[in-house]
Amino acid sequence: GENVEQHPSTLSVQEGDSAVIKCTYSDSASNYFPWYKQELGKGPQLIIDIRSNVGEKKDQRIAVTLNKTAKHFSLHITETQPEDSAVYFCAAENTDKLIFGTGTRLQVFP
Amino acid sequence: DADVTQTPRNRITKTGKRIMLECSQTKGHDRMYWYRQDPGLGLQLIYYSFDVKDINKGEISDGYSVSRQAQAKFSLSLESAIPNQTALYFCATSDWDTDTQYFGPGTRLTVL
Repeated sequence: GENVEQHPSTLSVQEGDSAVIKCTYSDSASNYFPWYKQELGKGPQLIIDIRSNVGEKKDQRIAVTLNKTAKHFSLHITETQPEDSAVYFCAAENTDKLIFGTGTRLQVFP
Repeated sequence: DADVTQTPRNRITKTGKRIMLECSQTKGHDRMYWYRQDPGLGLQLIYYSFDVKDINKGEISDGYSVSRQAQAKFSLSLESAIPNQTALYFCATSDWDTDTQYFGPGTRLTVL
């Protein structure tokens, strides 16, 4: 079955700097890769996703890149703000189910 | 997401008790999921249902059961709760033609 690894587990950045979170997956049949943001006391919310026929997708300060050959994908947040502080999860779709990474706790310091 | 609601939001119970967690959605989605979240382990799939007559086991179904009472309702039961089932539980929904899942606010369950 699919296995998703996510790094780092924690990430601290200064406000205005960029943050990068990386994930690798094992099943080459996976073709949908969403990223979720979870704020304290809330459920995960989708922030961006990418499909295997696209190499990069951008939405304002957030971008995701996908390398199907290497089986890894990354989340890039530019010009970080304190409200970006949260736990971020990557996931890979496999047989109509999402397999999640273990999460990255991002802290943005003013 | 207010379209997916979970009750209760918090529950403390004792070992051996039967517990039911409920999930309702107004999104009109056919697919519903139950996940468990433990610190450092991400989200693990317990059970999922693609329509009212369909129930499937996920990665960690032992000790849990589910009931899909209607398209909009999906309940998770712990027949005899044990302390290592202490965790955050999330319900999620998705439509048949998209992989995007929408999560409820979660239930924090503590088993003493």
